[in-house]
Amino acid sequence: AQSVTQLGSHVSVSEGALVLLRCNYSSSVPPYLFWYVQYPNQGLQLLLKYTSAATLVKGINGFEAEFKKSETSFHLTKPSAHMSDAAEYFCAVSGSSGGSNYKLTFGKGTLLTVNP
Amino acid sequence: GAVVSQHPSWVICKSGTSVKIECRSLDFQATTMFWYRQFPKQSLMLMATSNEGSKATYEQGVEKDKFLINHASLTLSTLTVTSAHPEDSSFYICSASRAGGTDTGELFFGEGSRLTVL
Repeated sequence: AQSVTQLGSHVSVSEGALVLLRCNYSSSVPPYLFWYVQYPNQGLQLLLKYTSAATLVKGINGFEAEFKKSETSFHLTKPSAHMSDAAEYFCAVSGSSGGSNYKLTFGKGTLLTVNP
Repeated sequence: GAVVSQHPSWVICKSGTSVKIECRSLDFQATTMFWYRQFPKQSLMLMATSNEGSKATYEQGVEKDKFLINHASLTLSTLTVTSAHPEDSSFYICSASRAGGTDTGELFFGEGSRLTVL
């Protein structure tokens, strides 16, 4: 079984400040991990993914995440927040149990607000 | 590449009617499509998994007779909400996995369809 915990349903930062969105996972098999962003009334857009290659993953829009197996974490960071980063962010995990790598389990999401 | 489109984006219907939502992979063949439901300010809840040419697999607690899923081709899956009621109002999102793609679990999401049942 897999699960994802996103600490903090709402994170507020000032424009230009560091963004840190936390994600911890549990998985009985080596996980694939994802961060998605969702803007209001839209679907999900992939920010970045970890698929057992480099532990530090760089994504779009200046975001990156580091896979830490010992901490079962995959926190999302961005050095300097921009107003356009305001959105809902979802961490997700999938694995190869049962033959399907595509059955994603999502966290509850973290709403990021960026203050001018 | 890897664009998934949903139609309609918005739909309002009367209670008791049925509504069909389409999910299309525009530039790739999708072996598997997934349907999710998202309540306001909440995460995505997987409803069902559909594979082309076979019956959909529904998650526990999802009524298969209420939410009919058809995956007639490698580029189209449909979700029909039958005899819709106000409690079915929600944001429905589909996603697709690409046939022949790297098996890393990456999915491509549609834009979502907001259903409002009056």
